[in-house]
Amino acid sequence: EDQVTQSPEALRLQEGESSSLNCSYTVSGLRGLFWYRQDPGKGPEFLFTLYSAGEEKEKERLKATLTKKESFLHITAPKPEDSATYLCAVQGVGTNAGKSTFGDGTTLTVKP
Amino acid sequence: GAVVSQHPSWVICKSGTSVKIECRSLDFQATTMFWYRQFPKQSLMLMATSNEGSKATYEQGVEKDKFLINHASLTLSTLTVTSAHPEDSSFYICSASGPRDNQPQHFGDGTRLSIL
Repeated sequence: EDQVTQSPEALRLQEGESSSLNCSYTVSGLRGLFWYRQDPGKGPEFLFTLYSAGEEKEKERLKATLTKKESFLHITAPKPEDSATYLCAVQGVGTNAGKSTFGDGTTLTVKP
Repeated sequence: GAVVSQHPSWVICKSGTSVKIECRSLDFQATTMFWYRQFPKQSLMLMATSNEGSKATYEQGVEKDKFLINHASLTLSTLTVTSAHPEDSSFYICSASGPRDNQPQHFGDGTRLSIL
């Protein structure tokens, strides 16, 4: 059974204070690892897909990296508008097409 | 990016009422759609997976007769909460993915359901 563990559960940063969110996973054959951002009262918004160890993706202040056991979401010089819950999900070879296993998320708060 | 529209955003109704929620993929063919339930400050709980033209697959513990799912076309899935009661009050979110196995899900903005 695929498993995803995200840490920390909550992270409070000052504006401009860079940090990283962790997503540890176990899966029998990785099809893809996904990062999402969820704002309160909204559905998750897709950010990145990573397919293989060593791969990196960037978007504005966010950078996602992947190893065989974990993924990091690096946030560089965050702004208050980056405050949200960040979800990690994996899709394994043994699952039905499109079905993902989600972590519980990291709630990021960036103070001005 | 891919757009999924969910309607309505808010529903408030009396106990015993049936409520239908629509989920549409606006710019891609969604071979698979998912329905989630989310409680405050908790993660997504998958309720069911639906494939176009076939019966939905429900997760363990989810009542099939309570939560009716129809995926009649490649762009539309509906969730009907039958004879809703206050304990069914929650945030319901749909998502859609395309035909390839390693594609992300694209989510609607959710429906806040309040049963009085």
